[in-house]
Amino acid sequence: DAEITQSPRHKITETGRQVTLACHQTWNHNNMFWYRQDLGHGLRLIHYSYGVQDTNKGEVSDGYSVSRSNTEDLPLTLESAASSQTSVYFCASSASQETQYFGPGTRLLVL
Amino acid sequence: AQTVTQSQPEMSVQEAETVTLSCTYDTSESDYYLFWYKQPPSRQMILVIRQEAYKQQNATENRFSVNFQKAAKSFSLKISDSQLGDAAMYFCALTRGSEKLVFGKGMKLTVNP
Repeated sequence: DAEITQSPRHKITETGRQVTLACHQTWNHNNMFWYRQDLGHGLRLIHYSYGVQDTNKGEVSDGYSVSRSNTEDLPLTLESAASSQTSVYFCASSASQETQYFGPGTRLLVL
Repeated sequence: AQTVTQSQPEMSVQEAETVTLSCTYDTSESDYYLFWYKQPPSRQMILVIRQEAYKQQNATENRFSVNFQKAAKSFSLKISDSQLGDAAMYFCALTRGSEKLVFGKGMKLTVNP
């Protein structure tokens, strides 16, 4: 069955370290998205991609970057982790004009 | 800008009863899509129901149905015959299609046995 996976599921890191969160989907969806979820804010968009080599900034993109070298993967990199980036991160994918399907989430703690 | 508002942070319902979750939104677009997602304690985001704005008929999925009032920009979710497994956070969301989802802040539903 097609699916969307995220790894790691839990991560503890230190302030200033570079961290990469993986997202892999087997739906063959063109669109991929990264959101963060914080108490009182719902989910907010970090970055998104409409296809290979395409990346776009969302509303909370500062301190994050993504790259899209193939259809299946959209890794999210925190260049220099900060305590404010402690959150739960969700990856999602969709076909054009269709519903977004979410991965299981990655819980990140920055100490 | 698009916004989604869920004004009730928490609700509770008795098992087997019916509950309605409210959501209002704002968009200048004429073509858009509305969703309800469920997030149980596992934190997985699960699609509950979807409504296309161009469709006048309200969407239904088994025990879940919506009341879509386009002019009023209202999109409420009705859960019939509530079950213990319905206990979760519920998020209302809006998109223009391929673009990002804009989420409300969520509402915690408790189901009492």
